[in-house]
Amino acid sequence: DADVTQTPRNRITKTGKRIMLECSQTKGHDRMYWYRQDPGLGLRLIYYSFDVKDINKGEISDGYSVSRQAQAKFSLSLESAIPNQTALYFCATRTGTGRTGELFFGEGSRLTVL
Amino acid sequence: AQSVSQHNHHVILSEAASLELGCNYSYGGTVNLFWYVQYPGQHLQLLLKYFSGDPLVKGIKGFEAEFIKSKFSFNLRKPSVQWSDTAEYFCAVNAPGNTGKLIFGQGTTLQVKP
Repeated sequence: DADVTQTPRNRITKTGKRIMLECSQTKGHDRMYWYRQDPGLGLRLIYYSFDVKDINKGEISDGYSVSRQAQAKFSLSLESAIPNQTALYFCATRTGTGRTGELFFGEGSRLTVL
Repeated sequence: AQSVSQHNHHVILSEAASLELGCNYSYGGTVNLFWYVQYPGQHLQLLLKYFSGDPLVKGIKGFEAEFIKSKFSFNLRKPSVQWSDTAEYFCAVNAPGNTGKLIFGQGTTLQVKP
């Protein structure tokens, strides 16, 4: 089983619908991140969380919200999806100590907004 | 703002050719540098990382990268590529502070022809 699990893996929805992408991890890491991947733009940070009470905006948080339900769970919501939110979304985790930790990624959630 | 630039967006090589992918970053302070690989349909996996010490870093699958501080570069190399190296490659640098955030380059798509 994957250490970082994302659901759903693929989702097609319509403009204006509310969408939730879920992420759970078994690595015991404190820090969790949501990134968005677009062709030619690499990965851009949407939100990140140090623990259940500490949530921070990333570079491109407009139109998104998050919830850290537990140490192991970090959900990303699109309250009213729009077509330019069509992208591949990745959840990532890392240990909370030191500056040298790497990120561990989930398998991605491909979202298409029509 | 800190940024990462990958010069080659799409590289096509024949098997056994040598590979070098460029990566430059803008941050002048202490940096931690990473190369991630994303095989088709899969999540990002860490190839190698640099934190300190020997600027020539060896990673998995025969990849290596050299940190040249004076050039703000962290280029990825492999002496002889294989068809299975076909993937997208991302360079990343840690953001300043202790957030654990990574800033990614735009990515380079490598296509290896058999």
